[in-house]
Amino acid sequence: QVQLQESGPGLVKPSETLSLTCSVSGGSVSRRGASWSWIRQPPGKGLEWIGDIFYSGSTNYNPSLKSRVTMSVDTSKNRFSLKLSSVTAADTAVYYCARFITESDCFDMWGQGTMVTVSS
Amino acid sequence: QSALTQPASVSGSPGQSITISCTGTSSDIGNYDIVSWYQRHPDKAPKLMIYEDNQRPSGVSDRFSGSKSGNTASLTISGLQAEDEGDYYCCSSEGRRNSYVFGSVTKLTVL
Repeated sequence: QVQLQESGPGLVKPSETLSLTCSVSGGSVSRRGASWSWIRQPPGKGLEWIGDIFYSGSTNYNPSLKSRVTMSVDTSKNRFSLKLSSVTAADTAVYYCARFITESDCFDMWGQGTMVTVSS
Repeated sequence: QSALTQPASVSGSPGQSITISCTGTSSDIGNYDIVSWYQRHPDKAPKLMIYEDNQRPSGVSDRFSGSKSGNTASLTISGLQAEDEGDYYCCSSEGRRNSYVFGSVTKLTVL
């Protein structure tokens, strides 16, 4: 059973960079036909897809966040990461990592999520 | 791109059936984009319940079913059980499959 686990600081100061890592167990980030996404949910709001990355390093980002997002993948450590720069209070959210299966067009595995608060 | 519209809450008694709607536009759901549905319980990882509009993953109860018509997708849960209580949200894969939009989340209460 594939499991995903988010990790990173729970508190980030305004204007700084938010950094999160998703560790994958029971499966490989090098799997063909899959991409690896970051999704977030601000308090009281709906879910927002941030972007995804393939094992090759190819990325797709939500246009609304593209200028501030960088994703990377480390196949040797079986994990992928998110960096979101110049954060503001609006970036306060629960951040999830998830696996997207291209053939089925769905996110079939998710992490539990990690709360990140942007505050000084 | 705007979020898909879901009712904020729905409720039902054990044994009853409920339906959660997910309304998009002619640019997403109405444009043949693929819809999936997810269940989330507090402090647990979200779980895939329906993919490709109406397909159930292995291990998901056949009490859960999905459908789509026009700009609206629906999730129906029949024979409600206490364990079904939680948050549900839909997701539409956009056009070229490199961008995704979620619904606004529906809280299901089993009375």
